[in-house]
Amino acid sequence: NAGVTQTPKFQVLKTGQSMTLQCAQDMNHEYMSWYRQDPGMGLRLIHYSVGAGITDQGEVPNGYNVSRSTTEDFPLRLLSAAPSQTSVYFCASSSRQLYGYTFGSGTRLTVV
Amino acid sequence: GDSVTQMEGPVTLSEEAFLTINCTYTATGYPSLFWYVQYPGEGLQLLLKATKADDKGSNKGFEATYRKETTSFHLEKGSVQVSDSAVYFCALTGSARQLTFGSGTQLTVLP
Repeated sequence: NAGVTQTPKFQVLKTGQSMTLQCAQDMNHEYMSWYRQDPGMGLRLIHYSVGAGITDQGEVPNGYNVSRSTTEDFPLRLLSAAPSQTSVYFCASSSRQLYGYTFGSGTRLTVV
Repeated sequence: GDSVTQMEGPVTLSEEAFLTINCTYTATGYPSLFWYVQYPGEGLQLLLKATKADDKGSNKGFEATYRKETTSFHLEKGSVQVSDSAVYFCALTGSARQLTFGSGTQLTVLP
């Protein structure tokens, strides 16, 4: 009964480094999304997927890549980290029926 | 595009006071509407939802009614508790079937 699992919970990167934020769900949900949360701005959609092999850009996609090779996993890649990417990142998933998205516990990323 | 506007915060109330957090939206078609709650240091939890006009979502004493004529989905609770202190987000899923969030409202309930 894990739901949506995000790793790591905390990460500090130096400018220019790359890393992958992991997201996995065990509910067989078709829809998966990545959001970033910044103070006073709510959550903004980075990338999303409506099924394995299908991804699309959200509101703030620049600097991030995603892929969806399986239903369960939806990793978010930062190719060259910048201080502007300091944020809390949330992964979420939902069934096609949209009863409500389930969120992971988040990854707090600091880029110095 | 789709957008959600929430009342400015923070909101501070005494225990047992009445709570209203206003939320209005702009969307094409017939969006589903949600309220999510975020406790300190945690992810977002679905609080309640409504999928069509005049639907009332309710959970844990919180209620919100989908008002298409006023494009609103205000959150209410008759008697708040200290444990309700959290950030509340109004959100919708539109034609892209992804969540669009308001900026969030910080609620603090004092004993």
